[in-house]
Amino acid sequence: SQELEQSPQSLIVQEGKNLTINCTSSKTLYGLYWYKQKYGEGLIFLMMLQKGGEEKSHEKITAKLDEKKQQSSLHITASQPSHAGIYLCGAVPPGNTGNQFYFGTGTSLTVIP
Amino acid sequence: NAGVMQNPRHLVRRRGQEARLRCSPMKGHSHVYWYRQLPEEGLKFMVYLQKENIIDESGMPKERFSAEFPKEGPSILRIQQVVRGDSAAYFCASSPQPDRLFYNEQFFGPGTRLTVL
Repeated sequence: SQELEQSPQSLIVQEGKNLTINCTSSKTLYGLYWYKQKYGEGLIFLMMLQKGGEEKSHEKITAKLDEKKQQSSLHITASQPSHAGIYLCGAVPPGNTGNQFYFGTGTSLTVIP
Repeated sequence: NAGVMQNPRHLVRRRGQEARLRCSPMKGHSHVYWYRQLPEEGLKFMVYLQKENIIDESGMPKERFSAEFPKEGPSILRIQQVVRGDSAAYFCASSPQPDRLFYNEQFFGPGTRLTVL
């Protein structure tokens, strides 16, 4: 089965600082998804990456999928308290017709005002 | 267009009781997925359903757990004779027909937090 490892497990940053969260896969990624989860709420879709080298941005969040398609990074610029939450990467295993995701264990982000 | 709805949001059961979790997918979505998030663990896939069909239940415990997605009404995840280890957040997601080229954006509900006393 595909395994996704996220690092760091938790992160505490001062407001305004930049930060990066990594997601490493044991197998080639054919679709990598980033979600954000706030306590008591569901997952909010952030971005999806499919092509090696692809980079997408939404507001102050940028995600990249490396050329070899086994690692993705999520970068937040000038963090704000509203960025706090748990960030999860999810992937569809190769050969999978879309019936399930594998998720990383998550990175808990705290932003101190 | 309302998002994925789950109810109840919080459910408390005593050991041995039954828990029923409901999920209404987004309008136009015919595919439903259930995930479980145990304390201090990541989200784990449980089951994938289309209307009236279970497509993949490889992540579902073999006993006490069942799921359905009837022609009419919400999808139901049913846990019989609950035990303390069933305490977790249960998330439902829905999608339209998954793209055969792996694209599959799933929209998640807010989850049901089950506590077994």
